[in-house]
Amino acid sequence: AQSVSQHNHHVILSEAASLELGCNYSYGGTVNLFWYVQYPGQHLQLLLKYFSGDPLVKGIKGFEAEFIKSKFSFNLRKPSVQWSDTAEYFCAVMFNTGKLIFGQGTTLQVKP
Amino acid sequence: AAGVIQSPRHLIKEKRETATLKCYPIPRHDTVYWYQQGPGQDPQFLISFYEKMQSDKGSIPDRFSAQQFSDYHSELNMSSLELGDSALYFCASSFGSYNTGELFFGEGSRLTVL
Repeated sequence: AQSVSQHNHHVILSEAASLELGCNYSYGGTVNLFWYVQYPGQHLQLLLKYFSGDPLVKGIKGFEAEFIKSKFSFNLRKPSVQWSDTAEYFCAVMFNTGKLIFGQGTTLQVKP
Repeated sequence: AAGVIQSPRHLIKEKRETATLKCYPIPRHDTVYWYQQGPGQDPQFLISFYEKMQSDKGSIPDRFSAQQFSDYHSELNMSSLELGDSALYFCASSFGSYNTGELFFGEGSRLTVL
């Protein structure tokens, strides 16, 4: 079955700390990969995406993610988080059916 | 730039009532997806349409139906509402189907069933 798994459900960091959120998916075929952010009470916003090419992709607000095909992973990173990064982060994978499947989400809380 | 428009933004219904949510995709987008996000949950795929035909189906209850019209807008009809239907319903649109691009999400319609 196609599934997406995020390792951390709740992460608490202090400002300027580095962030890495794990994401794995179960599927051996071609996929497109996304990270979305959802600020409290708001809709999903795209942080970054990977379709092909350089497996290290850079997104908005200083976020980046690395696609490691052999590990079926697409981890999100940011070298130095800010209080404004407090939000829910969703990894999402589009399988060849065209359907976007979301991970369970990770709540990031950044302490000022 | 035009975005995905959803209406209404908020809706309060009683149990066993019906509700209709509307989604207007970005101009020239031909694919629409519906997602349901319960409180503290990840978005769950309900159903999608490509060129006015259902293209995929997820965890959509039988009490729900949806369609995409000739102008590519879509409506999600929900009948015999239950308390558990209270959620944020997202619509997303894209151009083309099957790995052709990212989804653009609307701001969601929040349904509260009392």
